[in-house]
Amino acid sequence: KQEVTQIPAALSVPEGENLVLNCSFTDSAIYNLQWFRQDPGKGLTSLLLIQSSQREQTSGRLNASLDKSSGRSTLYIAASQPGDSATYLCAVSHYDNYGQNFVFGPGTRLSVLP
Amino acid sequence: DGGITQSPKYLFRKEGQNVTLSCEQNLNHDAMYWYRQDPGQGLRLIYYSQIVNDFQKGDIAEGYSVSREKKESFPLTVTSAQKNPTAFYLCASRISSSAAYNEQFFGPGTRLTVL
Repeated sequence: KQEVTQIPAALSVPEGENLVLNCSFTDSAIYNLQWFRQDPGKGLTSLLLIQSSQREQTSGRLNASLDKSSGRSTLYIAASQPGDSATYLCAVSHYDNYGQNFVFGPGTRLSVLP
Repeated sequence: DGGITQSPKYLFRKEGQNVTLSCEQNLNHDAMYWYRQDPGQGLRLIYYSQIVNDFQKGDIAEGYSVSREKKESFPLTVTSAQKNPTAFYLCASRISSSAAYNEQFFGPGTRLTVL
């Protein structure tokens, strides 16, 4: 059964620092990996989707990489800002007998201090 | 504005009551999902649906029921059989469950509290 872990569970950095969030999964047979941001009490906002055939995706100050063979993905945030403070979750997709669904990691809670 | 709406935002349930959470999307997506989120944990799949009039149990379906009578609507009923229903419930959709490379979009969530 697919399991997704995220390290660290929480991270606190001063404004302006570059940082890396990690996501690991146990079964490399995935179709894509998606990174989300969640603000307290809110739904999830999609940040980046990496297809299984891709190595990385970029959007503004965010860069996500994917290494399927080792079961790892990283989310790189450049020049962090207080507005980046949120919980970041990764999710991997897989097929079961019915269709495609996602398995989520527990998230990394990020605090960027002004 | 296209998107996913969930209502109510907050819901309180007494012991033994059934309650229904609403999820509506105007994205013309075929696939819809219900997740439960507990504090400090990731999302766990309750039910999902690939198409109208069809749905499948997820990892934690016991004590929940769904229907998919219309493409845009996927309501979730939390029954009295669910022993620990207090949680944050999130609805999501994708263009198609069978399409490999499409992202999930989420609604704003419903927080359910048992009194």
